Amino acid sequence: DIVMTQPPLSSPVTLGQPASISCRSSRSLVHSDGDTYLSWVQQRPGQPPRPLIYKISNRFSGVPDRFSGSGAGTEFTLKISRVEAEDVGVYYCIQATQFPPTFGQGTRLDIK
Amino acid sequence: QVQLVQSGSEMGKPGASVKVSCKTSGYTFTNYGISWVRQAPGQGFEWMGWIAVYNGHTDYERKFQGRLSMTIDRPTTTVYMELRSLRLDDTAVYYCARVRRPGGPDTWGQGTLITVSS
Repeated sequence: DIVMTQPPLSSPVTLGQPASISCRSSRSLVHSDGDTYLSWVQQRPGQPPRPLIYKISNRFSGVPDRFSGSGAGTEFTLKISRVEAEDVGVYYCIQATQFPPTFGQGTRLDIK
Repeated sequence: QVQLVQSGSEMGKPGASVKVSCKTSGYTFTNYGISWVRQAPGQGFEWMGWIAVYNGHTDYERKFQGRLSMTIDRPTTTVYMELRSLRLDDTAVYYCARVRRPGGPDTWGQGTLITVSS
C-alpha cells in the first residue's frame, strides 16, 4: 500500500496570514490515465470530513478560493492564503491512485 | 443536493455484529460507488472497503476479510455495512463516502459511532 506522510502539526498561524501543509507519498501518485488522484479534506472537531481539493489542485464546489493545492509525483501542498478562525482543524491528504486508498495521519492547524 | 445520511449510534458486545445504513439521495445511485472508512477515537482514517453500486462488486481491506459485508438496496438507494465478530478495537466512528473510482471521496455521511464494550 502507498504510505502518505504528513507532519502532525503545522506552525501556529496568525489570523490573516498564510498557512501551508505538506504531504508526501511513498510512490508516485500519477495514475495510468495520466491524472493524479490526490485530495485534501478538512475535519473540524466533532465533524465529518469536508472535501476541499481533488486531483491535486481542483476545489470542490463551495470551497473558498483561499484554499489551493499544488504538487506533483510524490510531494503535495495545501495552502491557505489568509487563515480564518473557522480553518482550525485537522487536514488530511488522501491518495486514490492506487487501490486501496490511503490517508495521511493528518496535520493540525492552530491559530496563534 | 447530494446527501449521505447514516443510521444512528450503536453499542455492541465483543463477538456481536452491527449493521450501519447509508441512505443516499440527490444523484444517480448507480453512477458511483460507496466506500466505508472508520476513525477510532483521536485517530486518523482507515479505509475498510468499497462497493460498486451498479453491479454489487466489493473490495474489502485485507484485515476485514471474512467479517465485513457491504450490500445495496436499490429501491431505497441505501448501502449497508455489516461488521461481524466485533472486537473492542472496532470502537470508532464509521463513515460512508461517495466515490467514483479512480478518485477519492467527494461526499461523506455524517458518521455513525459504534461502541464495542463488554
